[in-house]
Amino acid sequence: DTEVTQTPKHLVMGMTNKKSLKCEQHMGHRAMYWYKQKAKKPPELMFVYSYEKLSINESVPSRFSPECPNSSLLNLHLHALQPEDSALYLCASRVGLANTGELFFGEGSRLTVL
Amino acid sequence: AQSVTQLGSHVSVSEGALVLLRCNYSSSVPPYLFWYVQYPNQGLQLLLKYTSAATLVKGINGFEAEFKKSETSFHLTKPSAHMSDAAEYFCAVSDREYSTLTFGKGTMLLVSP
Repeated sequence: DTEVTQTPKHLVMGMTNKKSLKCEQHMGHRAMYWYKQKAKKPPELMFVYSYEKLSINESVPSRFSPECPNSSLLNLHLHALQPEDSALYLCASRVGLANTGELFFGEGSRLTVL
Repeated sequence: AQSVTQLGSHVSVSEGALVLLRCNYSSSVPPYLFWYVQYPNQGLQLLLKYTSAATLVKGINGFEAEFKKSETSFHLTKPSAHMSDAAEYFCAVSDREYSTLTFGKGTMLLVSP
């Protein structure tokens, strides 16, 4: 199984809503990532988890709250988002943080904030 | 700091023609370089990677890239374009220590019949 599965594929939410994005992998990878991708732009790193601990936070606003409950699961909790937060949110995993191998990406969750 | 520059936001080729997508890198340490492809409304898929073994790297779908240290380049090529190659292509660099990827701005490949 070489898949990273993200749910939901599409999400529409209001600025006062609370929602979550989920990411799951069963490849035994110990590094997991959240990227944000705006239209016609490259992915931008948001968070990195290594062995279920937050290793990198790229100065992301607190309305985005990541969580890594176990080695296979990564969540991104969303609260009080702004319309400019509308984007494709990509999850990725890698064997380990210090590994030079590829990142495996999910298909993304497309978020629209009204 | 490391970075990659992709020359040309759009490249148009005819089906059967050579594909050449350009990527130049800047890195203070020996880089690890990657090419990813993204089809519309999908995630990114790895095409190939350079991790200091062979300088000519072969990837999936007939793509290959050559690492040229003297030119700080890692251009992506394919001898004969297919309609299914139409997609966005991202070059990315990773340093040895932190292993996070820094992406270029991307190049949209358009293939005409």
